[in-house]
Amino acid sequence: QVPLVESGGSVVQPGGSLGLSCAASSFTFITNDMHWVRQAPGKGLEWVAFIRYDGNNKYYTDSVKGRFTISRDNSKNTLHLQMNSLRPDDTAVYYCAKGSTTTIDSWGQGTLVTVSS
Amino acid sequence: DVVMTQSPLSLPVTLGQPASISCRSSQSLVSSDGNTYLNWFQQRPGQSPRRLIYKVSSRDSGVPDRFSGSGSGTDFTLKISRVEAEDVGVYYCMQGTHWPLTFGGGTKVEIK
Repeated sequence: QVPLVESGGSVVQPGGSLGLSCAASSFTFITNDMHWVRQAPGKGLEWVAFIRYDGNNKYYTDSVKGRFTISRDNSKNTLHLQMNSLRPDDTAVYYCAKGSTTTIDSWGQGTLVTVSS
Repeated sequence: DVVMTQSPLSLPVTLGQPASISCRSSQSLVSSDGNTYLNWFQQRPGQSPRRLIYKVSSRDSGVPDRFSGSGSGTDFTLKISRVEAEDVGVYYCMQGTHWPLTFGGGTKVEIK
């Protein structure tokens, strides 16, 4: 596993916003595609968003389209996920992950987002 | 979206015995480039997932050879030839052929 360290998880009220970050090291970030995957408490894995190595292509799962934005800063080896209009069912551990359009080969340790009043 | 269905949900296994997990997709996972993008992940208790297998049967570096993947089209299997204590956890299949990427619901492997 390559080091991927997420940060930014917190408790937020429904309708609120939160930004997650993922710091990458020990690999060439600029040449690698990246994903966000989430896992609700006690549940399975759900793919959330993808961004190509150059930031030119982005894909989202339907439930977050229009609310979440994935981005990256290749000069700082950092991946971001901006989450707006948060709902209780967005509560999950959010994993930053490295991979390609067809796979995920490394995962971070995750950061917990709790949406609750 | 492609639905990935795993079975069984729970798999109690005796140490040293084999285990087999099934994963079926609602559409063929054969890509236009001829490859089949079916992945297997292991998630040990309290840990992040770890990829074991990609493209149906290619084992990741460091993964013990007791793990093997097979299958084609819509029907895939992960086999553990002799279960060890460290294999306890939840196993997920994930397809990477069609957007959005989708995971199976998971199979929990536990020791009898």
